[in-house]
Amino acid sequence: EVQLVQSGAEVKKPGESLKISCKGSGYSFTSYWIGWVRQMPGKGLEWMGIIYPGDSDTRYSPSFQGQVTISADKSISTAYLQWSSLKASDTAMYYCARLEGYYMDVWGKGTTVTVSS
Amino acid sequence: DIQMTQSPSTLSASVGDRVTITCRASQSISRWLAWYQQKPGKAPKLLIYKASSLESGVPSRFSGSGSGTEFTLTISSLQPDDFATYHCQQYNSYPYTFGQGTKLEIK
Repeated sequence: EVQLVQSGAEVKKPGESLKISCKGSGYSFTSYWIGWVRQMPGKGLEWMGIIYPGDSDTRYSPSFQGQVTISADKSISTAYLQWSSLKASDTAMYYCARLEGYYMDVWGKGTTVTVSS
Repeated sequence: DIQMTQSPSTLSASVGDRVTITCRASQSISRWLAWYQQKPGKAPKLLIYKASSLESGVPSRFSGSGSGTEFTLTISSLQPDDFATYHCQQYNSYPYTFGQGTKLEIK
């Protein structure tokens, strides 16, 4: 079974750093792009960026470029989303998803990030 | 960025109704459009890709159509499990933007 398992909920203070993860299984992790999607409380979906674990080629939405870093470790079939300095406005649910071609066919359950002083 | 606009934002309907949700793109995206269903507290689920191709395991009451800038998602006969939020997404060009979502409520 194809699965993406995301790391658990995080509660952080403004200014702290954070790295959340998304581990793929049941398929060739290096052969599919992985994407990250933000959903702020009560809001719609926002496409943040994608990475191809085979060669770490990465594309960012201009809205998120410079705000987050997407990376992957193909040796452990895991993609990451990280922040160097969190803001309260980063409070959201973050989903990873596998891209079948270009659309997202398999999704993780999401990681809740809460940033509050 | 390509802007995706869904209408309506909220739709009230009854079990058995036929409903249609529209998604418009700010420029032509050919048929590079997907539809997702999301239930409260859950991750989105892929329903349709390439505007009209039904994802495996998705009931045939769901259908999609359109090309260029205007697309529709139709549910032919609403079932209780279909009350959810629906999102369209273009994947014609980066960033692969989503619509704002349409919440389908029970009337």
